[in-house]
Amino acid sequence: EIVLTQSPATLSLSPGERATLSCRASQSVGSSLAWYQQKPGQAPRLLIYDASNRATGIPARFSGSGSGTDFTLTISSLEPEDFEVYYCQHRSNWPLTFGGGTKVEIK
Amino acid sequence: EVQLLESGGGLVQPGGSLRLSCAASGFTFSSYVLTWVRQAPGKGLEWVSGILSSGADTYYADSVKGRFTISRDNSKNTLYLQMNSLRAEDTAVYYCAKGRDGSNWFGDYWGQGTLVTVFS
Repeated sequence: EIVLTQSPATLSLSPGERATLSCRASQSVGSSLAWYQQKPGQAPRLLIYDASNRATGIPARFSGSGSGTDFTLTISSLEPEDFEVYYCQHRSNWPLTFGGGTKVEIK
Repeated sequence: EVQLLESGGGLVQPGGSLRLSCAASGFTFSSYVLTWVRQAPGKGLEWVSGILSSGADTYYADSVKGRFTISRDNSKNTLYLQMNSLRAEDTAVYYCAKGRDGSNWFGDYWGQGTLVTVFS
């Protein structure tokens, strides 16, 4: 099973700042990695798929990069609605797994 | 508009069974892979199971293998999760998610979730 480790667990930033979230895989997943955002009481929302492709309707301030074992989600300038929890997920092999999440909170 | 609506959650005792359903609309159901993902109270996301568009192949997390069965009825646009031998650790909100296409398992649309509570 591929283990995805997200860091940091919590990121404290102010609106307008740049957020950099990390997801590290225990073995290579190629580019088969996605990022999701989840608000309390809601289902996750797909932000980025296959490492660097923005999903439909996702603002350009969200970008993904990386390949192999190291991936990054960058939010270029935090908006108030971005202070949520973010998860990475791979689809490289079975079982699919999620990372433990990063909470982006207001500083 | 793509919609996914889960149902079938509820309270059940350990060892009991439940069948979850996910009714889909707004897309060509038979062309997409589908998955179940769960989230225990206050915890992160856990992938549970996936099924190919044809239903020919199914996949499971080790934590549910042998106890849960995923299936789909493409004539009814409905996904199912039969859950047997339920344990306290199966308590979670269960989401169904549509894959991006016939082979991409990332969920681009999700249901609102249905809560399963296993208690004694």
